[in-house]
Amino acid sequence: QVQLVESGGGVVQPGMSLRLSCAASGFTFSSCGMHWVRQAPGKGPEWVAAIWYDGSNINYADSVKGRFSISRDNSKKTLYLQMNSLRAEDTALYYCARQVQKPYSGYAYDYWGQGTLVTVSS
Amino acid sequence: DIQMTQSPSSVSASVGDSVTITCRASQAISSWLAWYQQKPGKAPKLLIYSASSLQTGVPSRFSGSGSGTDFTLTISSLQPEDFATYYCQQADSFPLTFGGGTKVEIK
Repeated sequence: QVQLVESGGGVVQPGMSLRLSCAASGFTFSSCGMHWVRQAPGKGPEWVAAIWYDGSNINYADSVKGRFSISRDNSKKTLYLQMNSLRAEDTALYYCARQVQKPYSGYAYDYWGQGTLVTVSS
Repeated sequence: DIQMTQSPSSVSASVGDSVTITCRASQAISSWLAWYQQKPGKAPKLLIYSASSLQTGVPSRFSGSGSGTDFTLTISSLQPEDFATYYCQQADSFPLTFGGGTKVEIK
């Protein structure tokens, strides 16, 4: 069965860095577009970043552009999010999500991980 | 950026009721619209993609319709497990954006 397991979250001070990982299993990771989506406490989901199945195309939300970097290692079936210059407003539960693998589905997500919590506080 | 506006923000309903949630996009997105259900402490769950396609395993009491800028999610015959928060998401173009959510509560 499809599984996405995030790790790497924690409590950090403003300005510091964190690297999140998402280990995938149960599907052909190298064929799927992958995304990071975050959700601040009590708020709705917010898309963060996306990467094509082969890493050839990457997109970021304006709120993280220049500070965050998404990448993937298809040989390890792992998605990453390098987060630098963290701010208090980056505090959220970070999910990795798989893009729907059906024709004409657009950028919707059919599988999500359980999330990893990032808290940015002094 | 495409803004997604959901209404109502909350609705109280009874088991067996029919509930309709609307989502409006600030510009046309064809049928690139997804609906998710989220329960406390859980990740969102995909219900509908491409505005009206039911995700595998989702009960048929959930249905979606619309295109362009106006979309609806209907839950017919509400069940106890349907009390949750529902989000729409435009799946058309970056940056991808979500609606503000609709909480379906027990009356």
